[in-house]
Formats: sequence, structure tokens, C-alpha cells
Amino acid sequence: QSVLTQPPSVSAAPGQKVTISCSGSSSNIGNNLVSWYQQLPGTAPKLLIYDNNKRPSGIPDRFSGSKSGTSATLGITGLQTGDEADYYCGTWDSSLSAGVFGGGTKLTVL
Amino acid sequence: EVQLVESGGGLVQPGGSLRLSCAASGFTFSSYWMHWVRQAPGKGLVYVSRITSDGSSTSHADSVKGRFTTSRDNAKNTLSLHMSSLRDEDTGVYYCARGRAALDYWGQGILVTVSS
Repeated sequence: QSVLTQPPSVSAAPGQKVTISCSGSSSNIGNNLVSWYQQLPGTAPKLLIYDNNKRPSGIPDRFSGSKSGTSATLGITGLQTGDEADYYCGTWDSSLSAGVFGGGTKLTVL
Repeated sequence: EVQLVESGGGLVQPGGSLRLSCAASGFTFSSYWMHWVRQAPGKGLVYVSRITSDGSSTSHADSVKGRFTTSRDNAKNTLSLHMSSLRDEDTGVYYCARGRAALDYWGQGILVTVSS
């Protein structure tokens, strides 16, 4: 049971938009910065979004992040088949004094 | 180019010990917090530990507290994870990663299998 809650799966057609939610509490998302990671099959995770809504160099603007209260959202527009992957949210939990991740969301591009 | 390369994984019996290493290159290692994250087969990412840039402070997940120790050698650009009293549920791929709030570079991961 992960501290952060994500939907197990989402799907959409190529070219469409999808959002992935990440729900937490005041001890984690509510008072700390959120990151999002993409894990393609058989590879290490890759940072997509940091500090709630910033993109590292090289990440296309099709990927966006937002945070409101104790929830965060990852948005992906112009879906491509290459976006099929597992997506994880992550942040620090001040009560646990530990990092926490969501359980992951599998994106299928139909 | 930033590189993180894990080593030291393998098969170990329950109750045994193992030491993982992460060799860092391409950046000023001593300036960055470092983390260990693991992933059981077919499961999600789980935070294991983090260590501050100077090694003065560490934090470990409750599931490994008292059994795992995280350390670093800034002179050798190396991060270590000493794992003892290993359990079946410690099986998985262990990643080292760089960062403070966000983990911006990850190693390729190393497999640890705890089984009799």
C-alpha cells in the first residue's frame, strides 16, 4: 500500500491528452515538492517533472505538472505510442522522514 | 556525462548480508544528496534511503531501518548500501539516484535476490 495514491492504469488514443492523478496528505504533497518519473519497460526511471511543474532540459512541453493542496497531476498531450510506460509521482514525507512514491500508473496508448 | 553504475548485487540467503556500491562520475559527487530506491519484480518504486552530500545525515525507510546502512566516500565518488538480515521481501532491483527533492539521474539498477 503506497503512501501516495495513483490510478493503476489510464489509456487514450494517439494524439489525445491524458492526466494522471497523485493523491497524498499534508505531510507529503501538501507541504513538499512533487516530482514525476517515467519508466519505460525494462529501463530505469527518468525524471519528467520536478518542483511540481518544472521540466528538466530535454523533456518536451507535452508533459506538464501541477499541484493543488494534497494532490498533484501529470498531464501528457499529443500522446505517442512511445509514451507507453509506467508513471510515478514522488515526494518527501515529513512525518515519515522518508521519500515516498505513488504505486505507479500504467499508460496505454491505444 | 553523468553516470551512476551499481554493483554488488546477486543471490543471497535469507538472513545474509550484501553490500551494494554505486560509482558516480561526470559531476561533483560531493555536492549532491544521493538515494537508494528499489523495485520488486513487477512492482512499483520504493524509497530505501537517502544521504546528504557530506554524509552527515541519513534517512531510511521503516522497512529497512536497523538492517540497512547507507554511506558514501566522497574521495572515491562512491555511494554504498550495506544490507544485513536480508529477507525474501528485500528482493528486487536496487537503483542509486542523484538529487535532493527530485531524482534527476538514476543508475541502471542491480538485481538482489534473497532466496534459499
